[in-house]
Amino acid sequence: DAKTTQPPSMDCAEGRAANLPCNHSTISGNEYVYWYRQIHSQGPQYIIHGLKNNETNEMDSLIITEDRKSSTLILPHATLRDTAVYYCIVRVAAGNTGKLIFGQGTTLQVKP
Amino acid sequence: DTAVSQTPKYLVTQMGNDKSIKCEQNLGHDTMYWYKQDSKKFLKIMFSYNNKELIINETVPNRFSPKSPDKAHLNLHINSLELGDSAVYFCASSKGAGSAPLHFGNGTRLTVT
Repeated sequence: DAKTTQPPSMDCAEGRAANLPCNHSTISGNEYVYWYRQIHSQGPQYIIHGLKNNETNEMDSLIITEDRKSSTLILPHATLRDTAVYYCIVRVAAGNTGKLIFGQGTTLQVKP
Repeated sequence: DTAVSQTPKYLVTQMGNDKSIKCEQNLGHDTMYWYKQDSKKFLKIMFSYNNKELIINETVPNRFSPKSPDKAHLNLHINSLELGDSAVYFCASSKGAGSAPLHFGNGTRLTVT
């Protein structure tokens, strides 16, 4: 599975958009980009994933560049409860053993 | 209704003891995992079971032995506990061993003194 690079920390004002970048320049054509969030003292939570098209769920959006070498998770209206560590992971879709390889992630601090 | 539940939430024990952590999922998933998060917050996979069959064993000491009595349960038994085993252990499950998202429990904080 390809390696990802994320900034170690970011700050965001409450109510503003939080844009969390991730570089995955060695991503293969059959690898998806996954995002997980880990709030303090809890297990990681799945947020969203995508292959090459932009994806949106009820809360967040995933923007993947055309060359697929980077992506951005967008939290359009960050709240204090979004303070967490965000992990970007690339993972083969088919024939995979299911394991996720976590990096250091980005610690997002949402401030009032 | 907790989807992936682990017991106990906290476990404090002395070196040399044997302990078990239990995990149950009510999502109907057929694949379960154990992850370890150390003091530096790195999350690393330890084991994975698919339909009660071991499919991942990431060079974990033999003192760690997972057991899956059925698809909904994956327990972790640790023999001869060492100080370095202190960590938070997370159980997770997914539908299949492919690309489906993993659902994690809230962890068991193990402290070995």
